[in-house]
Amino acid sequence: NAGVTQTPKFRILKIGQSMTLQCTQDMNHNYMYWYRQDPGMGLKLIYYSVGAGITDKGEVPNGYNVSRSTTEDFPLRLELAAPSQTSVYFCASRPGTSGSYEQYFGPGTRLTVT
Amino acid sequence: AQSVTQLDSQVPVFEEAPVELRCNYSSSVSVYLFWYVQYPNQGLQLLLKYLSGSTLVKGINGFEAEFNKSQTSFHLRKPSVHISDTAEYFCAVRSGGSNYKLTFGKGTLLTVNP
Repeated sequence: NAGVTQTPKFRILKIGQSMTLQCTQDMNHNYMYWYRQDPGMGLKLIYYSVGAGITDKGEVPNGYNVSRSTTEDFPLRLELAAPSQTSVYFCASRPGTSGSYEQYFGPGTRLTVT
Repeated sequence: AQSVTQLDSQVPVFEEAPVELRCNYSSSVSVYLFWYVQYPNQGLQLLLKYLSGSTLVKGINGFEAEFNKSQTSFHLRKPSVHISDTAEYFCAVRSGGSNYKLTFGKGTLLTVNP
């Protein structure tokens, strides 16, 4: 299994541009998450999904959108990039059945907005 | 709402010395606790977890943590560190009232010097 994969690894955007960060998992996990990581701030939850067709906001959803049309994919959309969105973005997933609640993380996407 | 405090943002130690990374949490209900490690330019991976049972939890790479309910702490320890343990360590909590989400601390950067 590849686990959680994210593309691209790096991206530089100009202010006002749009882009989609891709996330795919091959573990048939129901729950998926998007986090952003800023230096010294830990991880902040942007959006999460408990299954295909169901998404909800996390702590810092402003400026982002998500969709979940399949179990495997959970793309994150930035519509009008701003310098405040410069960050490292991590996607994670976990099984839907009760258990350890451990989340499995992708390798991250490093985004710079200038 | 739950919160996690990692008391040290940076911990420098010499190789083969013992180390303790501190984590305190606040939650009014039962908790599940996790330690994740992030090596440079990588995603997060699980070190260990406490769900129930024995309060001393052993994880990968020789790390262990002790759950102390009265002090609301979950400190991470290793008796002898290696250069390869240099990484950022995150404590996370999943409280009983929040089925889907983990709350992360801000992280502790462990630097092991020769």
